[in-house]
Amino acid sequence: QLQLQESGPGLVKPSETLSLTCSVSGASISSNSYCWGWIRQAPGEGLEYIGVIYSSGSAYYNPSLKSRVTISLDMSKNEFSLNLNSVTAADTAVYFCARRPLVGGFDSWGQGTLVTVSS
Amino acid sequence: VLTQSPGTLSLSPGERATLSCRASQSLGRNYLVWYQQKPGQAPRLLIYGASSRATGIPDKFSGSGSGTDFTLTISRLDPEDFAVYYCQQYDIAPVTFGGGTKVEIK
Repeated sequence: QLQLQESGPGLVKPSETLSLTCSVSGASISSNSYCWGWIRQAPGEGLEYIGVIYSSGSAYYNPSLKSRVTISLDMSKNEFSLNLNSVTAADTAVYFCARRPLVGGFDSWGQGTLVTVSS
Repeated sequence: VLTQSPGTLSLSPGERATLSCRASQSLGRNYLVWYQQKPGQAPRLLIYGASSRATGIPDKFSGSGSGTDFTLTISRLDPEDFAVYYCQQYDIAPVTFGGGTKVEIK
């Protein structure tokens, strides 16, 4: 059974880098049939797409975050990661990792992890 | 941009819910999905390709529409269906989500 689990610091200081990892079990991130993504949700707000990465290593980002975001794969650990630099309080959110078929919606999600940006 | 309406829908169990999602540009391939989200949980995929139900989704949920106007219909609301519903498009880069419709108990 596919499971995704986010991990990383729950508190990040302003101007620093937010780093999260999504550990995947029950499926291989090297599959050509899927891409792997990050979505966030600020407290009380809607969903915001951050970006996805394909097994080829090609990544695509939300233009509003593109200058600050990097998504990467670690095939050896079956994990993918999110780095968001120069964070501000506006980046405080629950961060979800998820799987998406090449054609379709995000069909499997992690439980989400709250990251607070505060000094 | 995806615009969902209404923002909140107040209905009673057993009633029919009709949720709207309007795109600012035509989605030529109808790459439109719907999610359900309950408090404290991750979203759950309901509908993809505008009208195809995801695995394990009961047939009380149906999606329709094309181009710029899409609809999610819940034929009879059960207590567990009261939640927030989001549409999302992956037809035109970048992927975008609608603002959500909250279906609440009247």
